[in-house]
Amino acid sequence: NAGVTQTPKFQVLKTGQSMTLQCAQDMNHNSMYWYRQDPGMGLRLIYYSASEGTTDKGEVPNGYNVSRLNKREFSLRLESAAPSQTSVYFCASSAGTENYGYTFGSGTRLTVV
Amino acid sequence: GQSLEQPSEVTAVEGAIVQINCTYQTSGFYGLSWYQQHDGGAPTFLSYNGLDGLEETGRFSSFLSRSDSYGYLLLQELQMKDSASYFCAVRPPYSGNTPLVFGKGTRLSVIA
Repeated sequence: NAGVTQTPKFQVLKTGQSMTLQCAQDMNHNSMYWYRQDPGMGLRLIYYSASEGTTDKGEVPNGYNVSRLNKREFSLRLESAAPSQTSVYFCASSAGTENYGYTFGSGTRLTVV
Repeated sequence: GQSLEQPSEVTAVEGAIVQINCTYQTSGFYGLSWYQQHDGGAPTFLSYNGLDGLEETGRFSSFLSRSDSYGYLLLQELQMKDSASYFCAVRPPYSGNTPLVFGKGTRLSVIA
């Protein structure tokens, strides 16, 4: 019953530090996504991977990189963190057909000071 | 492009019915989805309308009218646990598995 697992759940970084957010799903989904959520802004897409071996930019990709390591895992990297990247980050996965919806991880709450 | 509009906040009384509207401006899309998110939690999938009309799942119903560029989520017999944020979402009609675009969400407060 794991679904989508994100680590870490909380993180505080200093400006300029780097880190990688990890995401893994056990539902054999083809597609995976990284969204960020800021107050009043809804969910904004950072990057996505429609299938293993492919990645594409979303609405707000600047300052981030991603790796689709295999079908299960999709990581998000911040190379040089900035205070503007303080946010809640959600990883999600889907089978590719929206009638079954996206399954979201529990989120990573990141603060950059 | 695509733009989704929904009210930022709605308040309703326990036991009542509430409707959360979603209007969109897009060049075309595959369907309208709804997600629920409790404070501090993750969004969870509620419903999907691939065709015009009403879809019912228990106390929740969702409606879509493509000709009116409009949809809504209807919550009946409101319970305190329904207090949450609700997001509508569409998938733009590009090739491949184009990701969902979410509205900014409607915060529903259920009061006694």
